[in-house]
Amino acid sequence: AQSVTQPDIHITVSEGASLELRCNYSYGATPYLFWYVQSPGQGLQLLLKYFSGDTLVQGIKGFEAEFKRSQSSFNLRKPSVHWSDAAEYFCAVVSPNDYKLSFGAGTTVTVRA
Amino acid sequence: GAVVSQHPSWVICKSGTSVKIECRSLDFQATTMFWYRQFPKQSLMLMATSNEGSKATYEQGVEKDKFLINHASLTLSTLTVTSAHPEDSSFYICSAIQGARNEQYFGPGTRLTVT
Repeated sequence: AQSVTQPDIHITVSEGASLELRCNYSYGATPYLFWYVQSPGQGLQLLLKYFSGDTLVQGIKGFEAEFKRSQSSFNLRKPSVHWSDAAEYFCAVVSPNDYKLSFGAGTTVTVRA
Repeated sequence: GAVVSQHPSWVICKSGTSVKIECRSLDFQATTMFWYRQFPKQSLMLMATSNEGSKATYEQGVEKDKFLINHASLTLSTLTVTSAHPEDSSFYICSAIQGARNEQYFGPGTRLTVT
């Protein structure tokens, strides 16, 4: 069964600084990977996804992620964070057999002025 | 495109009553819908998979008699929490997929509070 690990529970970053959120997955075949963002009391918004092809994926809001098969990782990055990036971030992998998503525990990002 | 709505966005009910939450795909036909539950500061937990015209498949540990799921059409799935108790208070989120695509489109969630 597939699984996702987000090692960082909470990250605090200064506005304007760079951000990297870690995600490691466990899956036997080529994974379909996602990053979602959730603001308090809101649903999930898809930031980006990786199915195949270029391992560097560009998403919305200036985010990008890089798929590294050798490290079983799909880390999310942003060069310069804005206060509005403060939220909960979830990495997820889908099973192509039944379309079920497995989520990581999430990383809370706090942005300080 | 690919918009999913949920109704209501929040609901307060008394212990022992039942509450229904609707999940609709507004601009596509959803062959499969999923229901998740999220407790504060936690990740999403899949409760069940709902396929149009067939019985829902529940994840281990989820009481199917308590959480009734109906997927009567390709655009609507409902989750009914029966005989709700305070421990059922949570954030319920649905998602939908279109055809054989691997991407899920999420609804905005429903906050249920049982008093």
